[in-house]
Amino acid sequence: GAGVSQSPRYKVAKRGQDVALRCDPISGHVSLFWYQQALGQGPEFLTYFQNEAQLDKSGLPSDRFFAERPEGSVSTLKIQRTQQEDSAVYLCASSLGAQYFDSNQPQHFGDGTRLSIL
Amino acid sequence: GQQVMQIPQYQHVQEGEDFTTYCNSSTTLSNIQWYKQRPGGHPVFLIQLVKSGEVKKQKRLTFQFGEAKKNSSLHITATQTTDVGTYFCAGPGGAGSYQLTFGKGTKLSVIP
Repeated sequence: GAGVSQSPRYKVAKRGQDVALRCDPISGHVSLFWYQQALGQGPEFLTYFQNEAQLDKSGLPSDRFFAERPEGSVSTLKIQRTQQEDSAVYLCASSLGAQYFDSNQPQHFGDGTRLSIL
Repeated sequence: GQQVMQIPQYQHVQEGEDFTTYCNSSTTLSNIQWYKQRPGGHPVFLIQLVKSGEVKKQKRLTFQFGEAKKNSSLHITATQTTDVGTYFCAGPGGAGSYQLTFGKGTKLSVIP
């Protein structure tokens, strides 16, 4: 596709349920990022993949959060035993990642998944 | 850890007035990026500044990177209703870091 695709756009879950959020990056993009954006705040880094390798997961809030990108393309962010504080928009971004540091590359964001935990 | 601060948090301007948002980092940045997020939308990349003292223009938008590479600004001349949104600056999380640290953004409202 032309851009980063995320699904679902909206997810409502009861506290304690597990959720899975999907990201389909721009074809050929090596780097993939997950961010969490609370209302009125900037995106906060969660984790980073270079191809299938998860090189940085320092932003994941707890061990209930898990991300994978097994074939180096589509990625899934899983949240186990959801809590109300997990309610936020989860953004996925991808970049070419062809240069030395991926933080130098412009990032292309998807529309996000708005997660509401009841 | 690194912090990126933006001011003001909100700005309401009359259409045609100018607008400026300022970004300050607690550490020296190798580069800084600016993004715009429309209401209900996702962040969209605007520009990247790399050199000390760099100034770049995009039509009515002027971006500056400070001499010490710790601050940046975005200035919009003669705002239009299409400029409405939140403007974020973002810098690398540290030397060799893959992260981008975003500021909290400046939300711009334009009164027609």
